Order: sequence, then structure tokens, then C-alpha cells
Amino acid sequence: NAGVTQTPKFQVLKTGQSMTLQCAQDMNHNSMYWYRQDPGMGLRLIYYSASEGTTDKGEVPNGYNVSRLNKREFSLRLESAAPSQTSVYFCASSEVSVAEAFFGQGTRLTVV
Amino acid sequence: EDQVTQSPEALRLQEGESSSLNCSYTVSGLRGLFWYRQDPGKGPEFLFTLYSAGEEKEKERLKATLTKKESFLHITAPKPEDSATYLCAVRGAGNMLTFGGGTRLMVKP
Repeated sequence: NAGVTQTPKFQVLKTGQSMTLQCAQDMNHNSMYWYRQDPGMGLRLIYYSASEGTTDKGEVPNGYNVSRLNKREFSLRLESAAPSQTSVYFCASSEVSVAEAFFGQGTRLTVV
Repeated sequence: EDQVTQSPEALRLQEGESSSLNCSYTVSGLRGLFWYRQDPGKGPEFLFTLYSAGEEKEKERLKATLTKKESFLHITAPKPEDSATYLCAVRGAGNMLTFGGGTRLMVKP
């Protein structure tokens, strides 16, 4: 049982480049989330999807877009990467939007 | 706006020295308070959910308690393998999880 799988695990981008972070869960969860974690800032919600077909902005959505491709997959896209987007990105899922969330192992992104 | 503050930021204990971590919160309509453990380079690992004041949950050397304003994570006779960052989060009426900054726990043998 893999749980929540994120790809890639590490990525270096140049300023202005674009990329998509992939996330898939095999727990049949309805809700999925994207967080970023920065030193001294804790985990901050970027976007979430309460159920298939819906997405909503979180605390720090600027510079990002998301796609809930199906019930299993939730991707995060950086259209034009900036150094301020250097961070560790975590995808999470929960059975419903009020239940505990389970996290992937993270993607460490560096924008130079 | 939901807010979560954890203290202390860092805690050093000797093996066997019990202590508590604090999580203070303000939330509109608490729909759950969650504790996670995070090891370096890994994602947060779920530990407990508490829903109402007075509720307690236990797992091995960890015990979480909840009041109307704060939660405590009590660690009894910790071992070096308990060293990690412990995160607290709340879910309010808006259904989003809001995390605190975490407490970095170091247990020395």
C-alpha cells in the first residue's frame, strides 16, 4: 500500500521555467491538498480539492495552478518559476475534508 | 482566521525525562485538532485526532489532550527514537488544515 506518492523527489529549475509536480493516492480518498514547507513558516496550504472536480485556493496560491485529474491524481503546476518558490512541497489526501490528512514524502524544489 | 502556536520551538531531553509540548489555537468552529510527527526529509506522519475538550488519546509513550484553547502532547520516558519535529494542526469551519510551526524534540541517550 503506497499511500500518497509524489514525483519527482528533487528538482532544480531556472527562473522562468515551468514544471508540474505530480501526486497520486491509492487510498480512495476524496480530498487532496498541496502544501509548501519553509523554515520558520511551517506548512502552508497552496490549493486543495475537497472532491473530484473541485479545487479551491488556500493560503498561498499565487504563482501556482492545480488540476484534479481524477479521484487519484492532483497535480501542481508552476508556470514561471521564481526563487521565492524554492521550498519543499507536500501533497496530502484525506477520506473527507474533515478527516485527518496523510502526506507524501515531499518534493524538494530549488529555483535558481 | 485560524491560528496555531506551538511551544517550545525546540526541546532537548535526556532519555527517560518526561515532558510536554504545547499547542495553543484560535479557530472558528473546531472540527478537529491533529498531531503529526515529522522526521528529517520525510512527510508528516499522522499521530492523533482530537475533536472535543476533555478528549485524550494515547499511543505508546505519547498522550495527547485537548482543552478549549490548547492541546498538549505528553511524552513519558522518551527514547532517542522519539526525536523528531512534532506538528499540531487545526481544522475549523472553513475545512482547511492550519499548522503550527512545530516543536523540534531531541532526546539524548
